[in-house]
This record gives sequence, C-alpha cells and structure tokens, in this order.
Amino acid sequence: EAGVAQSPRYKIIEKRQSVAFWCNPISGHATLYWYQQILGQGPKLLIQFQNNGVVDDSQLPKDRFSAERLKGVDSTLKIQPAKLEDSAVYLCASSSGGGLSTDTQYFGPGTRLTVL
Amino acid sequence: AQSVTQLDSQVPVFEEAPVELRCNYSSSVSVYLFWYVQYPNQGLQLLLKYLSGSTLVKGINGFEAEFNKSQTSFHLRKPSVHISDTAEYFCAVSDPGTGGFKTIFGAGTRLFVKA
Repeated sequence: EAGVAQSPRYKIIEKRQSVAFWCNPISGHATLYWYQQILGQGPKLLIQFQNNGVVDDSQLPKDRFSAERLKGVDSTLKIQPAKLEDSAVYLCASSSGGGLSTDTQYFGPGTRLTVL
Repeated sequence: AQSVTQLDSQVPVFEEAPVELRCNYSSSVSVYLFWYVQYPNQGLQLLLKYLSGSTLVKGINGFEAEFNKSQTSFHLRKPSVHISDTAEYFCAVSDPGTGGFKTIFGAGTRLFVKA
C-alpha cells in the first residue's frame, strides 16, 4: 500500500512570498491532517479534514494560511505571505477512522520550508 | 488543556544497553497515549498506543510502554537497543473527554545509539 505522499520535499522562499504544499493521503483514508513542526518542537496540528469538511482549524493562522481538500482526497496548504517564523517542516497525515482520538495516523515525509 | 512533557531532549546510549524514554502528561480522567518514532528524513511512524485495558503495551521493534495513571506517565522502554533505533521519539496524548479530536505531541527525545 502506498504511503502518504507530499511535495515538494524542500522549499526555500523569501519572506512575503507565497508557497503551496501538496499532500495525497493513503487511498481510502477519510481524515487528513496538516501539522507544523518547528525545529526542536513536536508537531502542532494546523487543520484536520474529514472528507472535504474541516473538523478543526483552531490553530491555523487564518490571516496567512489556507488549506483545501476539494474532492475529499488530496489537499493543498498555502501560506501567503510567508514570515520568517513559518520556517518549519509541514507534515501531512491521514487516518482511516472518523478522525477520532483513537485513530492511528500515517505520516508523509514532510516538506521542509525555509523562509529567508 | 492537555499537555505532554518529554523529560529528556537527548538520550545517548550504547548498543545493546537498555533505554527508557520518559513522558508525562497533564492529568485527566481518561486519555489515549501514543509513542511515535521519526527516522531521519522520514515521517512519523506509530510505535504503540494505549487506549484501555492492560497498562503494559507492546509495540513494534521490541519497544514497550507502561501507562501509570497515578503518576500520569507513559514511559517507553527497550531492553536492548540497536544502532538502527537512532531516531527521534515523540510521546502524544489525546483527551476524549474534551470531545475534541486533537492529538498533542511532546517536544521529542532524540535517542542516539553508540557502537
């Protein structure tokens, strides 16, 4: 079974530029998560989708971050405009359950973003 | 709000020695607990999880963890480590009592196994 795919793997941009990350979850997984992992910290949930609906986006900085999962399969996370503090690894994960606390999440390799 | 503390940021250990990675969480009536491992340049992978039942949970790659409700701890152990266990380990907690779905991760412990 193919795992969670993410692209690009690395991205370097200057502050105030825009950037987009793409994620394709494991086939059949209804729940998709985006996490931000700053160096030296654990992953922090940005947004959780159940199919194409948003379950939790309470920690998403909505003035600059946006995410969509239009057809309930792959997803895009966008930052516009980027700030220096957005430098981090952006992880995508998926799970087959209903997005419950008990679900096992399967993670992609992440996109490392550097903002100069 | 739920929180997770991983007491050691780095743990160096010699190959074939035992290891314990410590994790404490803030108190709650009931919680779900997880350990994930992150190898270099890879995503996180589930090692084991505690949902209910036996407090000793066995996972992949010879790891196990013990849920201790009175001490609000979920320490990860392995009796004999290998070079290939070198990675970052994350403890995580979900609190179903809040009605939410969010999993909170600790800051991670970097395990470095030396030959």
